[in-house]
Amino acid sequence: EAGVAQSPRYKIIEKRQSVAFWCNPISGHATLYWYQQILGQGPKLLIQFQNNGVVDDSQLPKDRFSAERLKGVDSTLKIQPAKLEDSAVYLCASSPGDGHRGVYSNQPQHFGDGTRLSIL
Amino acid sequence: AQKITQTQPGMFVQEKEAVTLDCTYDTSDQSYGLFWYKQPSSGEMIFLIYQGSYDEQNATEGRYSLNFQKARKSANLVISASQLGDSAMYFCAMARHNAGNNRKLIWGLGTSLAVNP
Repeated sequence: EAGVAQSPRYKIIEKRQSVAFWCNPISGHATLYWYQQILGQGPKLLIQFQNNGVVDDSQLPKDRFSAERLKGVDSTLKIQPAKLEDSAVYLCASSPGDGHRGVYSNQPQHFGDGTRLSIL
Repeated sequence: AQKITQTQPGMFVQEKEAVTLDCTYDTSDQSYGLFWYKQPSSGEMIFLIYQGSYDEQNATEGRYSLNFQKARKSANLVISASQLGDSAMYFCAMARHNAGNNRKLIWGLGTSLAVNP
């Protein structure tokens, strides 16, 4: 079974520029998550999709961050414009999901390798 | 409020020895799940083991076992026969089973484990 695919692996941009990350979840997984992980901290959920609908985006800075999951499969996360404090690892994860059960069943989330973003 | 506490910022263990990583949690829920993840320096987050609050036996997965003490609200990870490749950050996380729309995983700050040869 192929794992969660993310690209790019690394990205360096200057502040005020824009950047996009791509994620392809495990085949058949209905639930997709984007996390931001700042150095020395645990992951912070930015947005959760169930199929192509948003379940939780309460911690997404919507003035600069946007995400979409067209057709309920691949997803992109965009930052525009980037700030210095956006330097972090951006992790994508997926889980099978089951209607409303999503993350709170015994299904673990499976993560991609992450994108390490550096803002200069 | 839901909270995960990992009190050990860093741990050292000798290769081939066992090590316990601590995790305590705070919840008023009766039904919940606890996860442990490993994050090597390369950055990927790797699922290790799961324990449900109603599971009567402690979870085991190969060299990983979970010492689950529900009354004390602790879910410590035990790694037996440590290997050099076990050097990584370890995160404890909790999922609420009946939280309606509030389904976020709650994460601890992690413990950095270094295995010495």
